[in-house]
Amino acid sequence: QVQLVQSGAEVKNPGASVKVSCKTSGYTLNRHYMHWVRQAPGQGLEWMGQINPYGDITYFAQKFQGRVAVTRDTSTRTFYMEMSSLRSEDTAVYYCAREVEAAGKSFDYWGQGTLVTVSS
Amino acid sequence: QSALTQPASVSGSPGQSITVSCTGASSDVGAYIHVSWYQQHPGKAPTLMIYDVSNRPSGVSNRFSGSKSGNTASLTISGLRAEDEADYYCSSYTGNSTPYVFGTGTKVTVL
Repeated sequence: QVQLVQSGAEVKNPGASVKVSCKTSGYTLNRHYMHWVRQAPGQGLEWMGQINPYGDITYFAQKFQGRVAVTRDTSTRTFYMEMSSLRSEDTAVYYCAREVEAAGKSFDYWGQGTLVTVSS
Repeated sequence: QSALTQPASVSGSPGQSITVSCTGASSDVGAYIHVSWYQQHPGKAPTLMIYDVSNRPSGVSNRFSGSKSGNTASLTISGLRAEDEADYYCSSYTGNSTPYVFGTGTKVTVL
């Protein structure tokens, strides 16, 4: 069965960087985009960016461009989302979410979420 | 890209039907079939309930249905059950510089 298992909670100081992992299993990597979505405490969902099925092309919402990177390690089937220059407003739960096959534009499997807390 | 507009809360009694609306624009909800709905229980990750306006993934109850008219999409839950109490988010593909937008979220309460 399809599984997305994310790394544990992180606490970071303002200005630091964080790297969240999302280890996948149970499906063919090259058939699905992977997305990252975040949710601030008590708030709604916010789309951050995506990586293509071949793991070589990324795209991010404008507000995250230059500050977020997404990579993939094919050998371990693990995706990584790294965010730099953290500020308090980045405190949120970060989710990886698999897109439906054939660029279906919806997200059918989600990781359990990783809480990133930015505080001095 | 502004979030899609949903009512903050909707409630109903067990067995009743409720509808959650999701209003966007002619550049997102009105332009594409790619409107999805997600259910999120407290402290849990979202779960896909409806994709492409009205399609249910395997395993999702047929009590959940979706539709769209113009720039507004709707999620209907029939035969409301206690386990349906959760937050619900719509999402639309936009085709612009931020290709995906979510709704503001609706808390569904089963009275």
